[in-house]
Amino acid sequence: DAGVIQSPRHEVTEMGQEVTLRCKPISGHDYLFWYRQTMMRGLELLIYFNNNVPIDDSGMPEDRFSAKMPNASFSTLKIQPSEPRDSAVYFCASSVAGNTQYFGPGTRLTVL
Amino acid sequence: GENVEQHPSTLSVQEGDSAVIKCTYSDSASNYFPWYKQELGKRPQLIIDIRSNVGEKKDQRIAVTLNKTAKHFSLHITETQPEDSAVYFCAASRGGGGSNYKLTFGKGTLLTVNP
Repeated sequence: DAGVIQSPRHEVTEMGQEVTLRCKPISGHDYLFWYRQTMMRGLELLIYFNNNVPIDDSGMPEDRFSAKMPNASFSTLKIQPSEPRDSAVYFCASSVAGNTQYFGPGTRLTVL
Repeated sequence: GENVEQHPSTLSVQEGDSAVIKCTYSDSASNYFPWYKQELGKRPQLIIDIRSNVGEKKDQRIAVTLNKTAKHFSLHITETQPEDSAVYFCAASRGGGGSNYKLTFGKGTLLTVNP
């Protein structure tokens, strides 16, 4: 099993640019989670999906953030426009029926 | 919503000693409590979890205890080794489907095991 796959692993962009982060969950997993990790705020849940449907997006910081899951094997997290305070490591995780969450390697985002 | 407090924020022990990390939670409906280990620059990885129908669970050198009445749970690592050095996160959720699968994480404990 390849595990959760995320791309890109590193992203450096300038303020105001659009950023798209991608995630492929483990095959057969029906839950997908997007987290953001910073030193100041720790590990925060942004949004999660069940069977491709968003269940809870209360952690999405503001309208600049959006997430989609067009099918069971792909999800995106988009930031438009990006700001320096969005710099963080973004993790995607997946699970079966909300049990053990398996995390991807993360995308380290730097917004200059 | 759920609030998870984790202590201490840093912990330094000598190799071979035991380490204990404690967490408290606020939502009495929470019933699933995982612990994750995150090495520097790596992803969080589950090391052990416990559900509310048991009070203790053990896996080799790692054990977790749960006190539902007091709403706290603890991670115990015995015979620590340098490779145990990492950040450890506790978390809590209600389970049961819908938005109840939301995991709330503690702020983490940086464990350093000195050789």
